[in-house]
Amino acid sequence: AQKITQTQPGMFVQEKEAVTLDCTYDTSDPSYGLFWYKQPSSGEMIFLIYQGSYDQQNATEGRYSLNFQKARKSANLVISASQLGDSAMYFCAMREGVGGSRLTFGEGTQLTVNP
Amino acid sequence: GAGVSQSPRYKVAKRGQDVALRCDPISGHVSLFWYQQALGQGPEFLTYFQNEAQLDKSGLPSDRFFAERPEGSVSTLKIQRTQQEDSAVYLCASSPALKVDYGYTFGSGTRLTVV
Repeated sequence: AQKITQTQPGMFVQEKEAVTLDCTYDTSDPSYGLFWYKQPSSGEMIFLIYQGSYDQQNATEGRYSLNFQKARKSANLVISASQLGDSAMYFCAMREGVGGSRLTFGEGTQLTVNP
Repeated sequence: GAGVSQSPRYKVAKRGQDVALRCDPISGHVSLFWYQQALGQGPEFLTYFQNEAQLDKSGLPSDRFFAERPEGSVSTLKIQRTQQEDSAVYLCASSPALKVDYGYTFGSGTRLTVV
């Protein structure tokens, strides 16, 4: 079974609008962390935002926020006021267990911001 | 350095050739990770070091893959007798500590093409 599922291979958004990228996860471990990364065409993975399984509030970092719905096992990324530079591949990832080291990534969503 | 540096940026190898990929983590970062990213996929975990100790190598796909970090800084991923299925981007990441709640810092990767 997929541990991280990103059901949107591609998404399009108009500049200055908000967009939501979907991510669902599967784990039986009560302690886990959820991450979003951005991968532009240059190839490097850029860390955007983190949500811990015990965090009471949704994580926010500037224009990025994470809509964490624990019962539904979803961790959607919301980008507000999209910019042309937001066009990139976006990956959701999960770390399981206390002190777990490896990240498990989804297959990604290609976001295109139109002017 | 300011970021994680990987070299070479691109590598073309003939099938059966041995290759060595280098990763220079951020100075002082204790944890170092290697990931393999096939075209159109999310990264997949290969191996993890804490200082010079290789604590997890369960993601290495075969015994042709070998990684080392002898002095707890620079790491090398070696692939012996390369096969076409080894063609991928190899990403290195580092973090200051085992607990990666703030996300790793990734390099730009080495794109390996086996012909």
